[in-house]
Amino acid sequence: GIQVEQSPPDLILQEGANSTLRCNFSDSVNNLQWFHQNPWGQLINLFYIPSGTKQNGRLSATTVATERYSLLYISSSQTTDSGVYFCAVYGNQGGKLIFGQGTELSVKP
Amino acid sequence: AAGVIQSPRHLIKEKRETATLKCYPIPRHDTVYWYQQGPGQDPQFLISFYEKMQSDKGSIPDRFSAQQFSDYHSELNMSSLELGDSALYFCASSHRAGAYEQYFGPGTRLTVT
Repeated sequence: GIQVEQSPPDLILQEGANSTLRCNFSDSVNNLQWFHQNPWGQLINLFYIPSGTKQNGRLSATTVATERYSLLYISSSQTTDSGVYFCAVYGNQGGKLIFGQGTELSVKP
Repeated sequence: AAGVIQSPRHLIKEKRETATLKCYPIPRHDTVYWYQQGPGQDPQFLISFYEKMQSDKGSIPDRFSAQQFSDYHSELNMSSLELGDSALYFCASSHRAGAYEQYFGPGTRLTVT
């Protein structure tokens, strides 16, 4: 099956700093989603991005499907950005999402 | 906008008991997915339903069963609970199965003692 790898596994930032999270996947995918899991466990949809670039406020994402990777950019980070960021992909085996291991982000004031 | 509703939000059970988790998808979404997330792990796919029929199956134990009803809500039934079943259980919904955006509910935190 498809393998999804995220890097870095952990990241500590000072408030106001920028960061880039990476997601590599081992096979062609039909879709890709980025999520933020907050400290209360909720999974919040950030981007639905099979290809191209999208922006939403301080966050943006780019997926290059032909090269099998996606990037999530966080600018001017805030303490509320803390949590785990997951990348998840759809393969060719139906609609189930296959998640990466996540990047745990901690933003310090 | 309406979101996916899950109930209960928290559940404490003893070993060998049964549990039923409920999921109400976003209106007009016809596909429901169940995921299990153990402590410190990423969510793992359990099972999905499209138009009330099972559409895909992951690593769901035989002790677990699920169904989707005529109003599209879904229930996950878990029997003979084990300590290792303690986890966060998410339901997600989408419009049509396949490469469509999935929206997740707040999850049910199950603790088995």
